[in-house]
Amino acid sequence: QSALTQPPSVSGAPGQRVTISCTGSSSNIGAPYDVHWYQQLPGKAPTLLIYANNNRPSGVPERFSGSKSDASASLAISGLQAEDEADYYCQSYDSSLTSVVFGGGTKLTVL
Amino acid sequence: EVQLVESGGNLIQPGGSLRLSCVASGFTFSTYAMHWVRQAPGKGLEWLSYINSYNNVIYYADSVKGRFTISRDNAKNSLFLQLTSLRAEDTAVYYCARAASLGSYTDYWGQGTLVTVSS
Repeated sequence: QSALTQPPSVSGAPGQRVTISCTGSSSNIGAPYDVHWYQQLPGKAPTLLIYANNNRPSGVPERFSGSKSDASASLAISGLQAEDEADYYCQSYDSSLTSVVFGGGTKLTVL
Repeated sequence: EVQLVESGGNLIQPGGSLRLSCVASGFTFSTYAMHWVRQAPGKGLEWLSYINSYNNVIYYADSVKGRFTISRDNAKNSLFLQLTSLRAEDTAVYYCARAASLGSYTDYWGQGTLVTVSS
């Protein structure tokens, strides 16, 4: 059971907008500790997608955005493209567990 | 160019031990904290351990505490993970990843090394 809860899967058609939620608690996201998002393409290592809630590393398209409110965070992907089909993970820190925590991951399918 | 290259993964029997290595290049290794993260086949990411840049702050996930040991050699730009008392459920791809601090993001990951625990 992950400390951060994500939906197992989401889907959308090309060009659409999808959101992936990440629900935590008062000991992690709500503490408040930053939330970071990673994209993992099939067979590849994860790559940083959003850091510190809503910041994009250099090279990440503006189509990707992050937000955070209370003990939850969201990743939004607009203008969905076939290449966005991947697994997405949120990550934060949990003070009760004294550990880094990941969400269970969300598989994005582009229809 | 930042690079992290893991090695040491292998097929190992239950109860056995293994030492994983992660060699860093393209940045000043001694100024960054490091994590080990694993991913079991078809499963999500699981954080395992953290070590700060000074080699004096270390944390472990409960699932590996007492069995795994993280260490680093800043002079050799290397990070290590000693795995002992291995179990079938330790079968996974093991990644090293760079971070600024414990609660910070991991901005670079290695390609991973596969550990298979099976008789």
